[in-house]
Amino acid sequence: GENVEQHPSTLSVQEGDSAVIKCTYSDSASNYFPWYKQELGKGPQLIIDIRSNVGEKKDQRIAVTLNKTAKHFSLHITETQPEDSAVYFCALGYGYGQNFVFGPGTRLSVLP
Amino acid sequence: NAGVTQTPKFRVLKTGQSMTLLCAQDMNHEYMYWYRQDPGMGLRLIHYSVGEGTTAKGEVPDGYNVSRLKKQNFLLGLESAAPSQTSVYFCASSYPTDNPSRTQYFGPGTRLLVL
Repeated sequence: GENVEQHPSTLSVQEGDSAVIKCTYSDSASNYFPWYKQELGKGPQLIIDIRSNVGEKKDQRIAVTLNKTAKHFSLHITETQPEDSAVYFCALGYGYGQNFVFGPGTRLSVLP
Repeated sequence: NAGVTQTPKFRVLKTGQSMTLLCAQDMNHEYMYWYRQDPGMGLRLIHYSVGEGTTAKGEVPDGYNVSRLKKQNFLLGLESAAPSQTSVYFCASSYPTDNPSRTQYFGPGTRLLVL
């Protein structure tokens, strides 16, 4: 099946700095690339997603970039705040909506 | 609008015992999913359902069974629990396509400990 690698596994940044998390994949059939944020004791929550026909999408301090040729996509968080501290998961969607594969996660710590 | 709810929140089982985890959603979603989350391994799909009365295996289905008798409910069963099934279980639901969205909505999770 499809496999997705996610790096780094942990990331610490100072408040106000930027954070970047990268995921790479192997199946060129993937057509949907969401990012989820999971806070302690809660379920994952979608923060941004991108389709395969778009190269970049931005929502306030969060952006996702997709390079289909190189098969990687990245989450960018600017002006980080302590409340951004959480575990972030990338995921791949392929097929008709029921097929998802999640990355292993990145624990982001924003230091005040 | 409660979204996705899961029952129970926490459970301790002895090896060999059985139990059922209940997931309910009030968003009229067609698709529902059961995942397990283990440290360092992200979320792995156990079973999923694309509609009432239908279920299918995911990446790690062994030791689990599911049923979707009603559109809003998706049950995950463990017939004979094993310590390897100690995990946090998440249910999710979604629409089937981009219209309106493929976003998966997750429940708060069920923490299961098998002794």
